[in-house]
Amino acid sequence: GDSVTQMEGPVTLSEEAFLTINCTYTATGYPSLFWYVQYPGEGLQLLLKATKADDKGSNKGFEATYRKETTSFHLEKGSVQVSDSAVYFCALIEGYSTLTFGKGTMLLVSP
Amino acid sequence: DAGVIQSPRHEVTEMGQEVTLRCKPISGHNSLFWYRQTMMRGLELLIYFNNNVPIDDSGMPEDRFSAKMPNASFSTLKIQPSEPRDSAVYFCASGRSGGTDTQYFGPGTRLTVL
Repeated sequence: GDSVTQMEGPVTLSEEAFLTINCTYTATGYPSLFWYVQYPGEGLQLLLKATKADDKGSNKGFEATYRKETTSFHLEKGSVQVSDSAVYFCALIEGYSTLTFGKGTMLLVSP
Repeated sequence: DAGVIQSPRHEVTEMGQEVTLRCKPISGHNSLFWYRQTMMRGLELLIYFNNNVPIDDSGMPEDRFSAKMPNASFSTLKIQPSEPRDSAVYFCASGRSGGTDTQYFGPGTRLTVL
C-alpha cells in the first residue's frame, strides 16, 4: 500500500538557518503530495501541495518539488523564523483513497 | 468563511462514561474524516464519510467507538464506555471530491479519560 516516510525529529535550528525536511513516498500510481503544518495546540493546516511530477508547491517561504524519479517531496525554506516552530507532516493521496500521512517532523527554531 | 468547527475543545471524563464529540464541516464539502492523534501512534484515521455515508471505518479501534453523520453539516463520534487509553486529541476534517483533495482540519478536541 501507499506509505510516506519522513525524517525523524526534532530538527533544531537557529533563526535564519536553512531548513530541509526529507520526505519520500511509496505509491503505485501518480499521487498528489502535500505538506501540512501543525502549530502547538492547533489542528493541521495545509502548507503546500503538488499534483504532478516536477510541480513545485510554495507558501510562506516554504517550497517542495514533486520528484517522481526519486519519489521525494522534500520541504525547504531558506531562512526559518522562530514562528516556524511546529510539526510538519508530509502526506499523499492517490486515486479515490484517503490521505496517507507520515509520522511528522518537529521543528524547533531558537532565536 | 468559518472553518471546521469542533466541540467541545476539551473534555475530561471518568472511565466508563459516554463521550460525544461533535463536528460541523465546511459548507459545501462532501467528505468528512475523524482522526485521533497520540504521542505513541501519531495521527490515525478512524473513519471517513462521503456524502454522509460511512465509506471506511477500518480505523475505528473497537466497538466502543461509533460515528454518525445524520446530515451534511453535522457529525458525531461517540465513545461508550470510555477508557483511559482513549485519551488523545480527536480531529475532524472535511474536504471535496470524495476526499481526493485537500482536507481542512478543525482545532481538535482534547479528551482526557481519568
